Parts: sequence; structure tokens; C-alpha cells
Amino acid sequence: QSVLTQPPSVSAAPGQKVTISCSGSNSNIENNYVSWYQQLPGTAPKLLIYENNKRPSGIPDRFSGSKSGTSATLGITGLQTGDEADYYCGTWDSSLSAGVFGGGTKLTVL
Amino acid sequence: QVQLQESGPGLVKPSEILSLTCSVSGGSMSNYHWSWIRQPPGKGLEWIGYIYSSGGTNYNPSLKSRVTTSVDTSKNQFSLKLSSVTAADTAVYYCARGKLLWSSGYYYYYMDVWGKGTTVTVSS
Repeated sequence: QSVLTQPPSVSAAPGQKVTISCSGSNSNIENNYVSWYQQLPGTAPKLLIYENNKRPSGIPDRFSGSKSGTSATLGITGLQTGDEADYYCGTWDSSLSAGVFGGGTKLTVL
Repeated sequence: QVQLQESGPGLVKPSEILSLTCSVSGGSMSNYHWSWIRQPPGKGLEWIGYIYSSGGTNYNPSLKSRVTTSVDTSKNQFSLKLSSVTAADTAVYYCARGKLLWSSGYYYYYMDVWGKGTTVTVSS
């Protein structure tokens, strides 16, 4: 049982937009910054978004992050088949004094 | 650019100690939170803990009693030891470079460089 809650799967057609939600509490998302990771099949996770909405160098602006209250959202526009992956949200939990992840969301580009 | 590489036995017997090392190349180890994350087969990511470059540590409460980490900046390496392993500890283990900051009442924590991962199976 993950501390952060994500939908198990989402899907959309190529070229469309999709959002992935991440729900937490006031000890994690509400009062700390959120990051997002992309894990392509058979590979290590890769940082996609940090500090709620910042993109590391090399990450296209098709990927965006936002946060409101105890929830965060990853948005992906102009979907490509290469975006098919598992996506994880992460943050710090102040009550646990620990890093925490969501359970992951599998994105299928139909 | 910074690269990380995990190494260690791929097979560990139940009740024994799992030991892994992460080698850091292409950059300094200073001022980062060197982290361990694992992923059981077919499941999601689980944060194990970190060791700061100067030696401070923080661990997942559910694993804290069994986890030990160390860092050797002269060798550009950090290590993980997990004791009393069971089949539930079978996973891909990743090392990562982390940043944990506290500013204006908020924590920032994220891992910006990851190793490729190493598979550890616990079995007799």
C-alpha cells in the first residue's frame, strides 16, 4: 500500500493529452514539493518533473506538472508511442521523515 | 555527466546479508543525498533510504532495523547492507543521486540521476 495514490492505468490516442493524478496528504504533497519519474519498459526511472513543475534539461515541454492542496498532476500533451511507460510521483513525507512514491501509473498510447 | 553503477551478488540466501555498492563517476559526491530505491518484480518503487555525503542517514521506517549504509567519497562509492533477508526482499535495486532541501517550511526531495539497477534474488 503506497503512501501516495495514483490510478493504475491511463490511456489515450497519439497526439492527444493525458493527465495522471497523485493523491496524498498534508504531511507529504500539501506541504512539500512533488517530483515525477518516467520508467520506460526494462529501464531505470528517469526524473521528469521536480519541485512540482520544473523540467530537467532535455525534458520536452510536452510534460508538465502542477499541484493543488493534497494532489498533484502530471500532464502530457502531443502523446507519442514512445511515451508508453510507467509514471511515478514522489515527495518527502514530513511525518515519516522518509521519501515516498505513488504506486505508479501505466500509460498506454493506443 | 554523472553516472552511477550498482554492483553486488545477484543471489543471496535467506537470513543472510544483502550487500550492494554504487560507484559514482563523472562528478563530485559532495552535498548530495545518495539514495537507494528498490522495485520488486512487477511492482512499484520503494524508497529504502539515503546517506548524505558527510555521512548522515535516513531510512524507510519499515526497513530501518535491517538497513545500514556507508559512503566513501575517496573512492566515489556508497553502499547498502540489508540484513536478515527473505524472499520479499527480491527486487531490482537502484542507486540514485538525491537532493533534499528544506526552505520556507517546505521540503524538496528528488532523485535526478539513477543507476541502471541490479537484480537481487533471495533464494536458497
